[in-house]
Amino acid sequence: DTGVSQNPRHKITKRGQNVTFRCDPISEHNRLYWYRQTLGQGPEFLTYFQNEAQLEKSRLLSDRFSAERPKGSFSTLEIQRTEQGDSAMYLCASTIIPPGNQPQHFGDGTRLSIL
Amino acid sequence: AQSVTQLDSHVSVSEGTPVLLRCNYSSSYSPSLFWYVQHPNKGLQLLLKYTSAATLVKGINGFEAEFKKSETSFHLTKPSAHMSDAAEYFCVVSGGAGGTSYGKLTFGQGTILTVHP
Repeated sequence: DTGVSQNPRHKITKRGQNVTFRCDPISEHNRLYWYRQTLGQGPEFLTYFQNEAQLEKSRLLSDRFSAERPKGSFSTLEIQRTEQGDSAMYLCASTIIPPGNQPQHFGDGTRLSIL
Repeated sequence: AQSVTQLDSHVSVSEGTPVLLRCNYSSSYSPSLFWYVQHPNKGLQLLLKYTSAATLVKGINGFEAEFKKSETSFHLTKPSAHMSDAAEYFCVVSGGAGGTSYGKLTFGQGTILTVHP
């Protein structure tokens, strides 16, 4: 399967713990995005990378959140000192830019539940 | 700035009847528009895309959408619904070159489609 892969699919943790998610994009894609989707809402942009450079971060991304893409391939999203409000589906997507009109290809997401 | 409004949060149809999911958008630059479908606990699958070529766009599974610039609309249709079409559908806009939203996706709130036997 050459699609976008996300691990783990589900994560249950206690409030205050740290969690890390991984995304493996489609291999030739140079751009990688992270989104957060809460129940009943559409995905909201968190951050994106062009190769290994993190080019933009949403105001949704508090200082407890950090993302990396060290070699321009896979990416990790870490949440420190998790809070109840962090419970959501975290989606990763990848694409090739330019051109800017290419669709993004999504993984199946990581569902985070905070106890 | 760009935004998307999906006019119906829920649409219910009978199997074999037409489907219409409505979407209006706002974008400062020539946008690209997409429809994605999401089945429960899954990621998003691309149905179709508009990128300034033909205004009537055909997608997978018999879906199509028409880009109407004068109405800033991009409604999704299908002539005959199937049970397997039941899912949540998202209308999405991506900003064109030259704008601050170049390549960034902005999602609508989603429309849940229910198909009755």
